[in-house]
Amino acid sequence: GDSVTQMEGPVTLSEEAFLTINCTYTATGYPSLFWYVQYPGEGLQLLLKATKADDKGSNKGFEATYRKETTSFHLEKGSVQVSDSAVYFCALSDEGTYKYIFGTGTRLKVLA
Amino acid sequence: EAQVTQNPRYLITVTGKKLTVTCSQNMNHEYMSWYRQDPGLGLRQIYYSMNVEVTDKGDVPEGYKVSRKEKRNFPLILESPSPNQTSLYFCASSRSDTQYFGPGTRLTVL
Repeated sequence: GDSVTQMEGPVTLSEEAFLTINCTYTATGYPSLFWYVQYPGEGLQLLLKATKADDKGSNKGFEATYRKETTSFHLEKGSVQVSDSAVYFCALSDEGTYKYIFGTGTRLKVLA
Repeated sequence: EAQVTQNPRYLITVTGKKLTVTCSQNMNHEYMSWYRQDPGLGLRQIYYSMNVEVTDKGDVPEGYKVSRKEKRNFPLILESPSPNQTSLYFCASSRSDTQYFGPGTRLTVL
């Protein structure tokens, strides 16, 4: 079945450091890919998405490119802030279905 | 304000005592879903609904029931809760592929 694998956390960075959180997937069709963010005590919020190969999703300085050849959707940010501290989830949704598969989440801690 | 609400936010109960967690959305979304979040396992989909009176199982439906009698509401029912259902539960709704999540319900079953 479909699956999403993302890097284990926690990831601890200093403010203004470069961030990469790896995400790879397996899917039988052509899924849409997502990154969601969860701040402490809150529900998940969509951070960015990409619906087809080579699409780049971006929001709030975060970017991720849908790479079909490597089945990856890595999250990057050039300069993190303390306010980016949260748990980040990679997810996919199969084409034409309403089933969603989430990764296990990666906790990011940014130190001032 | 567009939102998904869940009640209660926190619940402690005992094994076997039926409970319902309510979920309501005010965005007129057709699609709604329930997830549970457990450490090391991420979010797992319990049930989803594509429209009124249409529901389907997600990856972990055992021990749960849902109903979708109205578009805005999608309650999660635990007929006989067990300790392994202790978890953080999220409801979500969407019209297209972007989901909007509620604030979560932390359930403890003793």
